Amino acid sequence: GQQLNQSPQSMFIQEGEDVSMNCTSSSIFNTWLWYKQDPGEGPVLLIALYKAGELTSNGRLTAQFGITRKDSFLNISASIPSDVGIYFCAGGSQGNLIFGKGTKLSVKP
Amino acid sequence: SQTIHQWPATLVQPVGSPLSLECTVEGTSNPNLYWYRQAAGRGLQLLFYSVGIGQISSEVPQNLSASRPQDRQFILSSKKLLLSDSGFYLCACDSWGPLHFGNGTRLTVT
Repeated sequence: GQQLNQSPQSMFIQEGEDVSMNCTSSSIFNTWLWYKQDPGEGPVLLIALYKAGELTSNGRLTAQFGITRKDSFLNISASIPSDVGIYFCAGGSQGNLIFGKGTKLSVKP
Repeated sequence: SQTIHQWPATLVQPVGSPLSLECTVEGTSNPNLYWYRQAAGRGLQLLFYSVGIGQISSEVPQNLSASRPQDRQFILSSKKLLLSDSGFYLCACDSWGPLHFGNGTRLTVT
């Protein structure tokens, strides 16, 4: 079946540093989504990507849909303490999404 | 934009008791609705999805069931809870856009 690998599993960074995480799949996807989840809350959509090569920004966040359609990355620039949380990628198509296992981000002030 | 309401936020239930979690959606019509479970290991497991009233697809066989009595209402139920049913249950919705999640229900079965 389809598999989706998200890395790294966790990150410990200093405030102000840039962060990069990525997801790769064994299959071609039509959609890549990136979410952030705070403790005790549901995941919140950060960025949605629908086209190979698409590069989209949301404030300090930037995500790209890989040209091969099998990967995506999320970058966070100049991290701040409120960036702490778990970041999930999801790939697939409407009604058929696969989620990564998450990247837990910790930020040291 | 759509808003997803889930309740209760937290629930502690004894083994063998019934369960009913409710999810309602505002701001959209004829949405696709989903129930996910998230265990402590962080992964999101799709339990049920529905493309319309009375239409339920089950992804994982278990002692849970789902119903969609109205267009924007999705209910997760169990007749007898097991310890392994503990977890964080998330309702999600998409219409003509990406998937959005509710704030979840933390279920602890004791």
